[in-house]
Amino acid sequence: SAVISQKPSRDICQRGTSLTIQCQVDSQVTMMFWYRQQPGQSLTLIATANQGSEATYESGFVIDKFPISRPNLTFSTLTVSNMSPEDSSIYLCSVGDGWEAFFGQGTRLTVV
Amino acid sequence: KNEVEQSPQNLTAQEGEFITINCSYSVGISALHWLQQHPGGGIVSLFMLSSGKKKHGRLIATINIQEKHSSLHITASHPRDSAVYICAVSLSNYKLTFGKGTLLTVNP
Repeated sequence: SAVISQKPSRDICQRGTSLTIQCQVDSQVTMMFWYRQQPGQSLTLIATANQGSEATYESGFVIDKFPISRPNLTFSTLTVSNMSPEDSSIYLCSVGDGWEAFFGQGTRLTVV
Repeated sequence: KNEVEQSPQNLTAQEGEFITINCSYSVGISALHWLQQHPGGGIVSLFMLSSGKKKHGRLIATINIQEKHSSLHITASHPRDSAVYICAVSLSNYKLTFGKGTLLTVNP
């Protein structure tokens, strides 16, 4: 199994600023994913974080708004840039290991 | 695209009641997950299923691959079980599609 540490667990940010969320895994994993849950909505995939190359973004999400780093097989960051109140959501890191999926605790972001 | 439907959306129960939450999906999957989300937003993985049934304490999860349906049962419910329960399905590439969740409130 994989244990994921996601930080911060919550934050309140001013509009126009940026926040970087970290996801640390206790073992090397091939696949890492970032999801967003807007209020009252399902979790939605933002992008797949690829080690050594650019992230693969889903429709509706762009690199300028959600830059992602994946410097190695145990760590990834998601930045929410130039935030607006519409970015207030829960952001979740998930990894694939073998054929199982594991989850971080989530980051609750409020933009004021 | 795989669609995941959960029912009910909201569920209120009295302490001690037996609770069932249902999840249906539209295409073949490699695994189905049940997650628990507390009011603070933290998400905990409860079960991952690819067939049959799993039990952990008062929680039981079942899946019927042919019918594309899973259920999460809670026996002897307790107020601390109050949370949002989320069903998610994954294909072989681990990408998950999530249901909208079921808000469970257990009253003392």
